[in-house]
Amino acid sequence: DTGVSQDPRHKITKRGQNVTFRCDPISEHNRLYWYRQTLGQGPEFLTYFQNEAQLEKSRLLSDRFSAERPKGSFSTLEIQRTEQGDSAMYLCASSFSGRGADTQYFGPGTRLTVL
Amino acid sequence: KNEVEQSPQNLTAQEGEFITINCSYSVGISALHWLQQHPGGGIVSLFMLSSGKKKHGRLIATINIQEKHSSLHITASHPRDSAVYICAALPHSNYQLIWGAGTKLIIKP
Repeated sequence: DTGVSQDPRHKITKRGQNVTFRCDPISEHNRLYWYRQTLGQGPEFLTYFQNEAQLEKSRLLSDRFSAERPKGSFSTLEIQRTEQGDSAMYLCASSFSGRGADTQYFGPGTRLTVL
Repeated sequence: KNEVEQSPQNLTAQEGEFITINCSYSVGISALHWLQQHPGGGIVSLFMLSSGKKKHGRLIATINIQEKHSSLHITASHPRDSAVYICAALPHSNYQLIWGAGTKLIIKP
């Protein structure tokens, strides 16, 4: 399977704990995006990488959230001191920036439940 | 007013019916995505359109750039088509998709 993969698929944690999610994009894709989706809502943009550079962070991404893409391939999203409001589906997408608009391909998501 | 509007919000139809979901946007775009999301979360890209029409199996997507409107059609609908269908606009010189609220489609056998 050469699609976008995310790990883990589900995570249940207690409030105050730290969690880390991983996204492996399609191998030749240079752009990587993180989104968050709460129940009944559309995805919300969190952050975006072009290669290893984090070019944009949404205001939604508080100081407790950090994302990295150290070698321009896989990315990690860490949430420190989780809160119940962090419970959501965290989606990763990747794309290749060539000529014209690029299609974003989505991973299956990581569903986070904070108890 | 949202920059991307979808209609209807909910649609229930019988198996075999022809389905149309509409998407209107108010910003200048370089492309528009149609995506499908099944219960449980996974999002699948169906189409990316810049102009005209695309077809894949029983799915057809059209876009009218002048009217800032796109439609997703499903022919010979089947219960496995039941999902949320989302349109998302990619503005000019930007990478942040602007998402519609989604259309929840239920196809009854």
